[in-house]
Amino acid sequence: DIVMTQSPSSLAVSAGDKVTMSCKSSQSLFSSEYQGNYLSWFQQKPGQSPKLLISLASTRETGVPDRFIGSGSGTDFTLTINSVQAEDLAVYYCEQYYSYPLTFGSGTKLEIK
Amino acid sequence: QVQLKESGPGLVQPSETLSLTCTVSGFSLTSYSVSWVRQPSGKGPEWMGRMWYDGDTAYNSALKSRLSISRDTSKNQVFLKMNSLQTDDTGTYYCTRDGGQLGVFDYWGQGVMVTVSS
Repeated sequence: DIVMTQSPSSLAVSAGDKVTMSCKSSQSLFSSEYQGNYLSWFQQKPGQSPKLLISLASTRETGVPDRFIGSGSGTDFTLTINSVQAEDLAVYYCEQYYSYPLTFGSGTKLEIK
Repeated sequence: QVQLKESGPGLVQPSETLSLTCTVSGFSLTSYSVSWVRQPSGKGPEWMGRMWYDGDTAYNSALKSRLSISRDTSKNQVFLKMNSLQTDDTGTYYCTRDGGQLGVFDYWGQGVMVTVSS
């Protein structure tokens, strides 16, 4: 199984700050078939279902604010949130869909000071 | 619009079988795959298995011996059955639509909380 490791487990920032969080996979998620990395980022707000923010490591879903930026390739990935807003309070998960079983990281909890 | 809704019992006895239903609208089960994902409280999600749009299935090997996923396309429903439940099966169970060519989890249901307890 591919293990997804996220860090940090939590962080507290002020509104307007820039945030970066990491996701590392135990093997490469790059596929030459689609020339992309099979990695998604999800946002889960308190009491809600996860919401897909980014797929193929860097492609934002329709309606996702452009302050959310996914980057990285191979085994190292980053989610950056530029100018964090209070509404971004959530747990962020990465997920690989390169191979079965599909696996998630344990999450980064974002708190707003 | 795309919607998924899980239904089933909130409480299951240890060693018994869990049966859940995912009712979908806004898309066809013969065009999109549907997965089941569960999440223990305070932990990351775990993919359980998938009903492909063509009727094929894929399972998480960790659960395969206990898990069965089926569907009724005429009712727009996907079913999950898992036997021999234990307390560590407690959590929120979601169904997801698997969109795009690569089946990303693009829509999620609201989830159903399942507690395994006597």
